[in-house]
Amino acid sequence: ETGVTQSPTHLIKTRGQQVTLRCSSQSGHNTVSWYQQALGQGPQFIFQYYREEENGRGNFPPRFSGLQFPNYSSELNVNALELDDSALYLCASSLPRTGELFFGEGSRLTVL
Amino acid sequence: EDQVTQSPEALRLQEGESSSLNCSYTVSGLRGLFWYRQDPGKGPEFLFTLYSAGEEKEKERLKATLTKKESFLHITAPKPEDSATYLCAVVNAGGTSYGKLTFGQGTILTVHP
Repeated sequence: ETGVTQSPTHLIKTRGQQVTLRCSSQSGHNTVSWYQQALGQGPQFIFQYYREEENGRGNFPPRFSGLQFPNYSSELNVNALELDDSALYLCASSLPRTGELFFGEGSRLTVL
Repeated sequence: EDQVTQSPEALRLQEGESSSLNCSYTVSGLRGLFWYRQDPGKGPEFLFTLYSAGEEKEKERLKATLTKKESFLHITAPKPEDSATYLCAVVNAGGTSYGKLTFGQGTILTVHP
């Protein structure tokens, strides 16, 4: 059974640039959620995708957007990067209608 | 707005010294309360789900309990490998997304040999 994999693991961008983070869900899981975790804080919900459609969104601006593909993999796109976007971005997959999430190891984004 | 507060922020124990972590929550309707463990540089790992007051779950040295306002994670005779950040999270029954967890800031547990 393959777990959740994320890429890249680390990346550095400058303010104003755009970034795309990728996630492959665990085998059999058709729901993907994205979280942002700042240093020393708990994860914050960005959005969730189910059957290729956004199914719930947290308090993040529209420059945070996402996609889910037919194979259930997903992308998180962030435009016009700001310094405060520096964080660990976590992807989690799950079965529908459960809070039991399986997280990847995250993508560490640094914005300079 | 859903809120989760964990205490203490950090806890240092000697191996074998039992203790408890607290998670206080405010939510209009609870769909579920979750405990996760997070090791440095890793994503959170699911431990327990609790759905209603009075419910208890156990796994090895860990036991989670739930009341209407808080949850406790009891650690019995901890070992150094139990050292990690423990995260508590809730899902609101009124939300459309089961995956929208509201997390606390976590408790950093260190167990010394």
